[in-house]
Amino acid sequence: KQEVTQIPAALSVPEGENLVLNCSFTDSAIYNLQWFRQDPGKGLTSLLLIQSSQREQTSGRLNASLDKSSGRSTLYIAASQPGDSATYLCAPFIYNQGGKLIFGQGTELSVKP
Amino acid sequence: DTEVTQTPKHLVMGMTNKKSLKCEQHMGHRAMYWYKQKAKKPPELMFVYSYEKLSINESVPSRFSPECPNSSLLNLHLHALQPEDSALYLCASSQSDSSNQPQHFGDGTRLSIL
Repeated sequence: KQEVTQIPAALSVPEGENLVLNCSFTDSAIYNLQWFRQDPGKGLTSLLLIQSSQREQTSGRLNASLDKSSGRSTLYIAASQPGDSATYLCAPFIYNQGGKLIFGQGTELSVKP
Repeated sequence: DTEVTQTPKHLVMGMTNKKSLKCEQHMGHRAMYWYKQKAKKPPELMFVYSYEKLSINESVPSRFSPECPNSSLLNLHLHALQPEDSALYLCASSQSDSSNQPQHFGDGTRLSIL
């Protein structure tokens, strides 16, 4: 059974810092891994999708890396801003009689002005 | 604004009521999903529809009944719910349930059971 762990559970940083969010998963048989952002009371916004054959993916100030063999992914946020404050969720995509995402517990990020 | 639209945004119902949640997407996606999310927890998958057929039911109680009338619409019929069913219900879609394309989420329906 796939288990996903995100560290840290919560993070508070001053504006402008670069930061790294960590995600680990127990089963390396994944199709891809998605990083999402969730604002309070809202749905999930897809940030990056990294394929199982890729090592990293970039979008603006965000960079996600994937090491499938060791079961790890990181989300790097450069020059953090208060608007980045949200919960960040990682989710490997597996296929077993149907495809599904398995979510980690999330990292709650607060960026202070 | 999201490309997956869920209605209503909020719903309060008694335990004996029957209500439905609706989800709509016009991106041509052929896989649609229902998730349940409790406060401070990650989303939990409930159902997956692929090409309008139910492909995954994660042992969800029968008081939740999904329906996919066409490729753009997904409903979740609710009957005789319990207070512990109060949660945010999220709908998502993707090109297919085996594709390497992202899932797109709606903003959810906040459900409260009295």
